[in-house]
Amino acid sequence: DAGITQSPRYKITETGRQVTLMCHQTWSHSYMFWYRQDLGHGLRLIYYSAAADITDKGEVPDGYVVSRSKTENFPLTLESATRSQTSVYFCASEYREGTEAFFGQGTRLTVV
Amino acid sequence: EDQVTQSPEALRLQEGESSSLNCSYTVSGLRGLFWYRQDPGKGPEFLFTLYSAGEEKEKERLKATLTKKESFLHITAPKPEDSATYLCAVLSGGYNKLIFGAGTRLAVHP
Repeated sequence: DAGITQSPRYKITETGRQVTLMCHQTWSHSYMFWYRQDLGHGLRLIYYSAAADITDKGEVPDGYVVSRSKTENFPLTLESATRSQTSVYFCASEYREGTEAFFGQGTRLTVV
Repeated sequence: EDQVTQSPEALRLQEGESSSLNCSYTVSGLRGLFWYRQDPGKGPEFLFTLYSAGEEKEKERLKATLTKKESFLHITAPKPEDSATYLCAVLSGGYNKLIFGAGTRLAVHP
């Protein structure tokens, strides 16, 4: 199906483990984003990508790594998970920067 | 520093009771103001983009307006299916990415 999909939908991991959240879009949008959503903070930008092999930091990048070898995929890796990274993570894409963003269904990550 | 504040945090309405949600912002050069709707357990869904003061956009029972300091999302005769969290975001010239407010949780009761 066309759209933007995230996997897994739910994940529980232990402190110190590496975990990767996947994001796939079928529109060939140039721009892709990773946000985290926490109560009282709204959506905060972690990393974004303007095209394959071009990524840049957002507001809260510490502890996260991204890559984008193909236009359609934008995985987010927590290298050594901490409890403060317990959150709901959303991936989004835009056809052109500053236009309507399309969001995935989110991944609820719990770090214990 | 660019900032977006939404009020109220939560709003409870009776079906048919019209009201407004507020989004106030301070940004260095507004390039666009966005409204999204978010249902529980789902990602935000785009509603409107406003680009300049005085602009208005409508969709069904929703109407968004924009001034130089704030935006309002007016809900006319709401129905229970309008219950959701409404998010406001701004795109500023200084920081070329969306900055989101914390959202307003709207509950419409029959």
